[in-house]
Amino acid sequence: GAVVSQHPSRVICKSGTSVKIECRSLDFQATTMFWYRQFPKQSLMLMATSNEGSKATYEQGVEKDKFLINHASLTLSTLTVTSAHPEDSSFYICSASGQGGNYEQYFGPGTRLTVT
Amino acid sequence: QKEVEQNSGPLSVPEGAIASLNCTYSDRGSQSFFWYRQYSGKSPELIMFIYSNGDKEDGRFTAQLNKASQYVSLLIRDSQPSDSATYLCAGRVGGNNRLAFGKGNQVVVIP
Repeated sequence: GAVVSQHPSRVICKSGTSVKIECRSLDFQATTMFWYRQFPKQSLMLMATSNEGSKATYEQGVEKDKFLINHASLTLSTLTVTSAHPEDSSFYICSASGQGGNYEQYFGPGTRLTVT
Repeated sequence: QKEVEQNSGPLSVPEGAIASLNCTYSDRGSQSFFWYRQYSGKSPELIMFIYSNGDKEDGRFTAQLNKASQYVSLLIRDSQPSDSATYLCAGRVGGNNRLAFGKGNQVVVIP
């Protein structure tokens, strides 16, 4: 159990375009989903926390108008990177929580975004 | 002070030996702690969680929690080359379900 999927796994887009990444909990209801970004050889950086049906809570320094998060159901959250630039190229990983009572997070496989 | 700290550098262990990883946390009220394994280029995978003082064993892995000293450790017994990865320590902080992650420790198991 506790499987989280992400789509797409890899995407290349041109500067100025928008990219949508989907995160799904496949076998449990995720009350909370999280979006992280990770640059090469660096640690995970939490971008935002979203609860189903509520607005996402963004971490300090993360532009909410640039990184749009929607958590429309207990199994789906989306992250849209708007007007992407090369510096947005990174590994984006979602996680979902809700399976257990200890708040453990289960991670999706990640999406590698390259902006040219 | 960071919420969760992992300060050790890369750890090299011979195959079959015990790998020992430590992390400390600053919030005495933190309740739950987690160890994740992350292979290069992949996302983190949950290995264990622990919330009670003492030891918790799962196969070759043992997590230890000492709330008085505010540290969490992970022991990997009979280390295998497939254990070579970065290990992330995380703790639930504040009153919400956000996890604070340490920067990770790289483990290299030498055949």
